[in-house]
Amino acid sequence: EPEVTQTPSHQVTQMGQEVILRCVPISNHLYFYWYRQILGQKVEFLVSFYNNEISEKSEIFDDQFSVERPDGSNFTLKIRSTKLEDSAMYFCASRAGKGRLEQYFGPGTRLTVT
Amino acid sequence: TQLLEQSPQFLSIQEGENLTVYCNSSSVFSSLQWYRQEPGEGPVLLVTVVTGGEVKKLKRLTFQFGDARKDSSLHITAAQPGDTGLYLCAGAGYGQNFVFGPGTRLSVLP
Repeated sequence: EPEVTQTPSHQVTQMGQEVILRCVPISNHLYFYWYRQILGQKVEFLVSFYNNEISEKSEIFDDQFSVERPDGSNFTLKIRSTKLEDSAMYFCASRAGKGRLEQYFGPGTRLTVT
Repeated sequence: TQLLEQSPQFLSIQEGENLTVYCNSSSVFSSLQWYRQEPGEGPVLLVTVVTGGEVKKLKRLTFQFGDARKDSSLHITAAQPGDTGLYLCAGAGYGQNFVFGPGTRLSVLP
């Protein structure tokens, strides 16, 4: 069964460093998402991406964040200058397309900023 | 800002009991999804409900979407230890944004 994959599973970085989190969505899905979940808190929407551009973003997704689909398979989230409060699980999700509402989540990347 | 509340926050029951968890909002959602999440893993989709008043069954799980599309419930019949986990509801507005509730943490004791 197709699934969303994410790498790395765990990333440790120092405050101020740049990190890139990688996702491979389900093949032939058209909508891509990033969410984060701070330990013990709810899943929060960051950004949605469709047709090679951001379709919606939350207040959390400020100028330090960016997303890219550099090739036909990968979907990346870049955090330019990490802060301690960026420590969280980051989940990628994909959705097939219009009329198909089901989101499929990856296993997540645990980001620890020290 | 659309918000989803879930109740109860925690629920601990014995195997074989029935339970209902709730997802409520003051906002209308175009659709609502239920997920189950295990510690350290991503949410796994259980069901999507779209039509007000819709009822969907998935084995021992029954999902209902409120008539006004502002609330939903998940009922589990004869709970088993394998049902233990964090149950999340997520509502879709009319954009691409999915809003998650804080979850109900269910523990089913053998």
